[in-house]
Amino acid sequence: DAGITQSPRHKVTETGTPVTLRCHQTENHRYMYWYRQDPGHGLRLIHYSYGVKDTDKGEVSDGYSVSRSKTEDFLLTLESATSSQTSVYFCAINLGTGEGYGYTFGSGTRLTVV
Amino acid sequence: QKEVEQNSGPLSVPEGAIASLNCTYSDRGSQSFFWYRQYSGKSPELIMFIYSNGDKEDGRFTAQLNKASQYVSLLIRDSQPSDSATYLCAVNILTGGGNKLTFGTGTQLKVEL
Repeated sequence: DAGITQSPRHKVTETGTPVTLRCHQTENHRYMYWYRQDPGHGLRLIHYSYGVKDTDKGEVSDGYSVSRSKTEDFLLTLESATSSQTSVYFCAINLGTGEGYGYTFGSGTRLTVV
Repeated sequence: QKEVEQNSGPLSVPEGAIASLNCTYSDRGSQSFFWYRQYSGKSPELIMFIYSNGDKEDGRFTAQLNKASQYVSLLIRDSQPSDSATYLCAVNILTGGGNKLTFGTGTQLKVEL
């Protein structure tokens, strides 16, 4: 296991509240990613990070922000949760650079917005 | 057109048969190709990658890549019930942000006894 943990594993929150999901890694990987997975849409990139304080948007970034103040932690914040953000959220780390390096995923966070 | 397309299935094969999973991609700049397996309620796990045209074998799995046709496939020989899962195809383009993988929606495989 590449030492990647997500918290919480499950969360129910109310519409309009802010929510923060945490991804923690223990192996000092530079690149980290947040994806959401929905039926019919597959895995879609929300935001990614290529170093401390270096982040960029993915294809579905609206309504989300991220922060990475230290290498091991990548936080995803839903600024004002909406029902459309009910999803399973996966954090991933890049196992290396160059060709042939894929991702290792965390166990996921199942978020329900009511 | 989606960047990475897969038939959602389900693809049903009998135990012991060869399962063939297919994926097409639209961006000719794609450089590496990955197959992930995802069991229901679990996270995706990497099973194969390929970046050169041709075949790459690993145990019961063979990945095939044809860049001219923008096509990548995964063959699973001697399929077992434990192979029943959703298989995700992913492609990447190297950018300043490292490997950014774009995923297909996955093909559900059912291996029947």
